[in-house]
Amino acid sequence: GQQLNQSPQSMFIQEGEDVSMNCTSSSIFNTWLWYKQDPGEGPVLLIALYKAGELTSNGRLTAQFGITRKDSFLNISASIPSDVGIYFCAGQLRGRDDKIIFGKGTRLHILP
Amino acid sequence: DAGVTQSPTHLIKTRGQQVTLRCSPISGHKSVSWYQQVLGQGPQFIFQYYEKEERGRGNFPDRFSARQFPNYSSELNVNALLLGDSALYLCASSWAQGGTQYFGPGTRLLVL
Repeated sequence: GQQLNQSPQSMFIQEGEDVSMNCTSSSIFNTWLWYKQDPGEGPVLLIALYKAGELTSNGRLTAQFGITRKDSFLNISASIPSDVGIYFCAGQLRGRDDKIIFGKGTRLHILP
Repeated sequence: DAGVTQSPTHLIKTRGQQVTLRCSPISGHKSVSWYQQVLGQGPQFIFQYYEKEERGRGNFPDRFSARQFPNYSSELNVNALLLGDSALYLCASSWAQGGTQYFGPGTRLLVL
């Protein structure tokens, strides 16, 4: 079945540093999604990408849909304490059953 | 506007019992999807319902079933509970098939 490999599994960074995480897939998707999940909450959509090569920003967040349609990355610039949480990449084949395939997550820790 | 709501928030059951989880989608949304998230993993797709019909099913045993009501709310039923069914169960709604999915806070199920 479809699998997503998300890396790194966890990151420890200083406040103010930039963050980069990525995701690769064994199969292609027509949509890539990045979610953030805080403790006790459901995932919250950060960025959605719909086209190969697309580069999209949402404030300090930037994500790209790889041209092979099998990968995506997320960058966070100038990290702040509220960026702490778990970030999930996810792929979707819209037009079929719409199921979202999630990676295992990147846990972001910010050192004071 | 209210987001996706789920009930109950927490639940404790014993092995062999049955459980029903409930989801109310965002007003105007007609599609509901269910996901299971075990500790330390990303969510896994269980079902999608659109206009009261099952449109997708993940790789889960027949002990898992769901339905969608005329008001687009949904229930997830799990029979003959196993210890491994302990997880956070997430509901997501979208306005139509292919639409962006918004997640609720989840129901945390513990099976003893």
